Amino acid sequence: ETGVTQSPTHLIKTRGQQVTLRCSSQSGHNTVSWYQQALGQGPQFIFQYYREEENGRGNFPPRFSGLQFPNYSSELNVNALELDDSALYLCASSSDAGELFFGEGSRLTVL
Amino acid sequence: AQSVTQLGSHVSVSEGALVLLRCNYSSSVPPYLFWYVQYPNQGLQLLLKYTSAATLVKGINGFEAEFKKSETSFHLTKPSAHMSDAAEYFCAVTLGRDDKIIFGKGTRLHILP
Repeated sequence: ETGVTQSPTHLIKTRGQQVTLRCSSQSGHNTVSWYQQALGQGPQFIFQYYREEENGRGNFPPRFSGLQFPNYSSELNVNALELDDSALYLCASSSDAGELFFGEGSRLTVL
Repeated sequence: AQSVTQLGSHVSVSEGALVLLRCNYSSSVPPYLFWYVQYPNQGLQLLLKYTSAATLVKGINGFEAEFKKSETSFHLTKPSAHMSDAAEYFCAVTLGRDDKIIFGKGTRLHILP
């Protein structure tokens, strides 16, 4: 059974650029959630996808968008990057049981 | 809306001493509660979860937590700290399987030799 994998692990962008982060969910999981974890903070909920549909969204602007594919993998897209977008982005997958299984994250630095 | 508050952003205990990390929750309905651990440069790992069954929940690595409705608390304990327990610990709450999970700000646990 493979766990949740995220790519890339680290990346550096400049203000105004766009970024796409990818997540492969754990086998058998149909729900993917994305979280932003700023340095020294707890994870903040961005949004959740269930069977390719957005199923809940946190307090993030529309320039944060996502997709879930038929194989339940997912992408997080962030447009018009700002310095405050620098953070660890965590993907978590879950089954109907609700427990989240996290990947190791993608660390984004915006210069 | 549900929320969790973790008391103490940093906690230091001596190796072999009791670990107590505090978490209080706010929820309009009976919640599901979790404790996660995060080691440096890693994702979060589930330690234990409360889902309205037994109020004393046992988790991995010798940790346990007790759900106290009257105190709206879900404190994490471990009888004897090990050096390997040094990490960031997050308390989290959700209203149910289809709801988002909300995390606290975390408590960094330091183990003193």
